Amino acid sequence: DGGITQSPKYLFRKEGQNVTLSCEQNLNHDAMYWYRQDPGQGLRLIYYSQIVNDFQKGDIAEGYSVSREKKESFPLTVTSAQKNPTAFYLCASSIQGARDTQYFGPGTRLTVL
Amino acid sequence: SQQGEEDPQALSIQEGENATMNCSYKTSINNLQWYRQNSGRGLVHLILIRSNEREKHSGRLRVTLDTSKKSSSLLITASRAADTASYFCATGPGNTGKLIFGQGTTLQVKP
Repeated sequence: DGGITQSPKYLFRKEGQNVTLSCEQNLNHDAMYWYRQDPGQGLRLIYYSQIVNDFQKGDIAEGYSVSREKKESFPLTVTSAQKNPTAFYLCASSIQGARDTQYFGPGTRLTVL
Repeated sequence: SQQGEEDPQALSIQEGENATMNCSYKTSINNLQWYRQNSGRGLVHLILIRSNEREKHSGRLRVTLDTSKKSSSLLITASRAADTASYFCATGPGNTGKLIFGQGTTLQVKP
C-alpha cells in the first residue's frame, strides 16, 4: 500500500526532554510538511521541505527542528525550547508543492507531563 | 498567518439536507483545496479547484470559486451522518511551497 505513516500515535514527554516524531512516505513525493493542530483550530505550518537536504521554516518553527536526509523521511524534533508542545502533529506530502494535493498521515498526539 | 477563513464555524443539519460552507481568503492564489478531518484523524483531500476554474463537482460535492470576491464555497448535497467531520479550505498562494489552512467548519449531520 502506498501512503504516509507517522509514529508513534501517542507520545508523552517530560518537561525539558527532546522528542522526535517520525514521518515516512512511499509515494515518491518530493515535498513534505509538518503541521501543528491545537484543539478546535486549523493547521499551522511548522516546517516544509521541497527537496532532499533542503527545508524551510513555516509560521511556527521556533522550538522545532527537522532533517530531510532521505526523500521518504522527514522527522520532526520537538525540543525543550518549545514551551507549549502539547498538540496534535500532522505530517503530509505532495508531489512537488502548493499546486498539488497534500496527503496526510494519521497524526501523532504529543502530551507534555 | 491565516489566509482562509471558513464560515460558519459550526453547522448542524439533519440527514438528507444540504450543507454549505464558505471560505474567504486575502491574497491571490494558484488553487484552493478542501479537506475533511474526522475527529482525531489526519486530513483527507476532497477537491482542488484552480484559479482559472469557477466550479467543480465530485460525487455529492460541489465547489465554487469566485476570485473577484476571493471566496469559495463547498456544498455537500443529501448529507449523511457519515459526513460529520471538520472541513478545511486551504489556499496555495503564489509560487511558495506552502498551503495555508483556515480554521475549519465543524459539520454535524444528525440521523
